[in-house]
Formats: sequence, structure tokens, C-alpha cells
Amino acid sequence: DGGITQSPKYLFRKEGQNVTLSCEQNLNHDAMYWYRQDPGQGLRLIYYSQIVNDFQKGDIAEGYSVSREKKESFPLTVTSAQKNPTAFYLCASSMWGYTGELFFGEGSRLTVL
Amino acid sequence: KQEVTQIPAALSVPEGENLVLNCSFTDSAIYNLQWFRQDPGKGLTSLLLIQSSQREQTSGRLNASLDKSSGRSTLYIAASQPGDSATYLCEKETSGSRLTFGEGTQLTVNP
Repeated sequence: DGGITQSPKYLFRKEGQNVTLSCEQNLNHDAMYWYRQDPGQGLRLIYYSQIVNDFQKGDIAEGYSVSREKKESFPLTVTSAQKNPTAFYLCASSMWGYTGELFFGEGSRLTVL
Repeated sequence: KQEVTQIPAALSVPEGENLVLNCSFTDSAIYNLQWFRQDPGKGLTSLLLIQSSQREQTSGRLNASLDKSSGRSTLYIAASQPGDSATYLCEKETSGSRLTFGEGTQLTVNP
């Protein structure tokens, strides 16, 4: 089955630790995105990537980092510089240069203890 | 400034009722508008995608319309069921593949 897989589903972190969230897709999509969702709020874009080895900051990139070494993978690292990291993180993908459908993973919930 | 606004924020209806969810947006130069469903603690599932050249899309009991001139889209759900209970989000795509989401309408369908 084609789709997007995020892991882990739940993650707990102590303050001061970096954590990495995984996002893998087998849809052969060019574009991948990371969003953050907080209760009662819409999705806010953290980073996006249009092509391998290239990515751009979204609206709330501070305290986060990404890499895009393979087309299928777009991991997100939440660094200790992120002041309020507790949130629900969603990864998505779509065909680049094509106004088409956006596919989402099941999300990763990060809690800072 | 909220670019995509969804009203109401929450809606509770009895089973069987037909209902309309609203999405309004600034910038009529959109490429497409998409409606999603999100269940608690889950990712988003695409329901309907309307390209800028289209006026509406239908899938089963769902119908979504797009009026770019007025900056509005509606999602119509016919004969609502308890299983329709979820949060519904709309998203617009504009130039540069910029995607903007509304905050969602939380729908509860009571048996």
C-alpha cells in the first residue's frame, strides 16, 4: 500500500534533548512537508522540501531542522532551541509542480517532560 | 491576518440532518482548494479537491463547491451520520505552492 509513515507515534522528551521524528513515503512524491498542530489551531508549516537535497523554511522553522537526503525520507529534528515543542507533528507529501492532492501521515505526538 | 477562515468552529447536529460547513479565504488567485477530515489524534484524510477551473466536486454524500470571486467554499454533507463526527479542515493552494489551512470545524453528529 502506498502512503506516508510517521514514527514514533508518541514520543517523550526531557528538556534540553534533541529528538528526531521520522517521515517516509512510498508515493514517489517530490514534495514533502512538516506541519505542527496545537489544540484549537490550524496547521502551521515548519519546513518543506521540493526536491532531494533542498528544503525551505516555513512559518515557524526556529528550533527545528530537517534533511532530505533521499526522495522517500524527510526527518524532522526538534532541537533544544525550540521553546515550546510539545505538539502534534504531521508530515505530508504531494507531487511538485502539480496542483494535486496532499497526503498526510498519522502524526507524531511529542511531549516534553 | 487569517487567510483561511472556517465558520462555525464547532457544530452539533442530530443524525440524518443535512449540513453545510463554510470556508472563506483571501486571495482569489488560488490553484486549488482541498477539504480534509481529521479524527482525534490522527492525521488528515483528503475528502475532496477542487481545482481552480472547477466549481464543485462530489464524493458520495459529500459535495464541495468553490466560488473564487467571493472567496468561499462550502462542504455539504447529506444525511449526516455519527461516523461523520470529526474535525473538517479546508486548505487553499496559491502561487509558489503555498498551502494555507483553516482552523477547522469540529462536527458532532448525535445519534
